[in-house]
Amino acid sequence: KAGVTQTPRYLIKTRGQQVTLSCSPISGHRSVSWYQQTPGQGLQFLFEYFSETQRNKGNFPGRFSGRQFSNSRSEMNVSTLELGDSALYLCASSSQRYNEQFFGPGTRLTVL
Amino acid sequence: SQQGEEDPQALSIQEGENATMNCSYKTSINNLQWYRQNSGRGLVHLILIRSNEREKHSGRLRVTLDTSKKSSSLLITASRAADTASYFCATDSSYKLIFGSGTRLLVRP
Repeated sequence: KAGVTQTPRYLIKTRGQQVTLSCSPISGHRSVSWYQQTPGQGLQFLFEYFSETQRNKGNFPGRFSGRQFSNSRSEMNVSTLELGDSALYLCASSSQRYNEQFFGPGTRLTVL
Repeated sequence: SQQGEEDPQALSIQEGENATMNCSYKTSINNLQWYRQNSGRGLVHLILIRSNEREKHSGRLRVTLDTSKKSSSLLITASRAADTASYFCATDSSYKLIFGSGTRLLVRP
């Protein structure tokens, strides 16, 4: 099976812009989660989707949003970018068996 | 907030030696997972241990779980230079993983 794919891999934006990141889960996986990784805060949970429904959300401002499509692919959007949004954004998919999560390579976002 | 805390934060060993990393967590768990990350890339899933298991093996990896002490350990035997990476434990809660701060392992050739 192909692994989790994320696009784009690298992104440079300026403050105030918005960005959309995409994630394709492992075939058959219906749960998709998003995480932000920064040197200061480490790995932090953003949100989780299952069958197009958000089941859990982390402690992030409303500028961070996501959605899941009927084919389980997911997107996350960050509006009004701030310098502090520079991070590695990781997507993970799970088959729900013990919530074993498998991660994609990440999208490195740099906000200038 | 981070549930798991890894110890040590950094570890430097010689190739061929064993590496042991510890993880402590705060609340009850369904399972605990260990991941490896190379140089800011994606996380590679290493092993999952369920709350009713005490020990699990996968190749050169051995994971233990002590739910009474809320702790887990990851042992890498006969380490190789390619094992150089950051290692994270993660606990499962309400459809999300809560990660520890990680252990940076350096294996010197």
